[in-house]
Amino acid sequence: EPEVTQTPSHQVTQMGQEVILRCVPISNHLYFYWYRQILGQKVEFLVSFYNNEISEKSEIFDDQFSVERPDGSNFTLKIRSTKLEDSAMYFCAMRDQSFSYEQYFGPGTRLTVT
Amino acid sequence: AQKVTQAQTEISVVEKEDVTLDCVYETRDTTYYLFWYKQPPSGELVFLIRRNSFDEQNEISGRYSWNFQKSTSSFNFTITASQVVDSAVYFCALTVPNAGNMLTFGGGTRLMVKP
Repeated sequence: EPEVTQTPSHQVTQMGQEVILRCVPISNHLYFYWYRQILGQKVEFLVSFYNNEISEKSEIFDDQFSVERPDGSNFTLKIRSTKLEDSAMYFCAMRDQSFSYEQYFGPGTRLTVT
Repeated sequence: AQKVTQAQTEISVVEKEDVTLDCVYETRDTTYYLFWYKQPPSGELVFLIRRNSFDEQNEISGRYSWNFQKSTSSFNFTITASQVVDSAVYFCALTVPNAGNMLTFGGGTRLMVKP
């Protein structure tokens, strides 16, 4: 299975602070996704990103969230002003252009907002 | 809209027992893909299997097997002779290629295998 890496593994931040979560893509994977999992709950889709633009986003992905791939390598998720309810595990996922549609997930970043 | 339901929130078995995890899905699309992911206590999501809507053939991989039935919109997962290392949360998921390709996950089933 292709390996996706994410940094940091754990981030603790104070309410109102900005955080940036990073994902290092696999070389031939062009479709990127962010998902969120609040502790003990299911995994929820946030946003998909292809060809340097957002292709789909969920209701969760409001104006506080943004994604980019600033240098053509790392794929980032930014939360501008964190809230307590943003505390969750954030997973980056990606897939290639094949029609298998398999998404491979990174190990996740645990975000704790205090 | 797509929906995935895993009615079993938690299952507890004793090692070497067989266990089946249920997954029921809803979609209006005729082309879709179904997946199972494993989330061990360490937290990562591990891809297990993909099945597309045109292939109803069941699959076996070692102690794992999957039963896809379009007639009942189900994609069940069976672990034969369970082991303690199988203890994890298992998620069923669905994606529709012409509807954004995002994964819609079920609520997950926590499997506890006791020695």
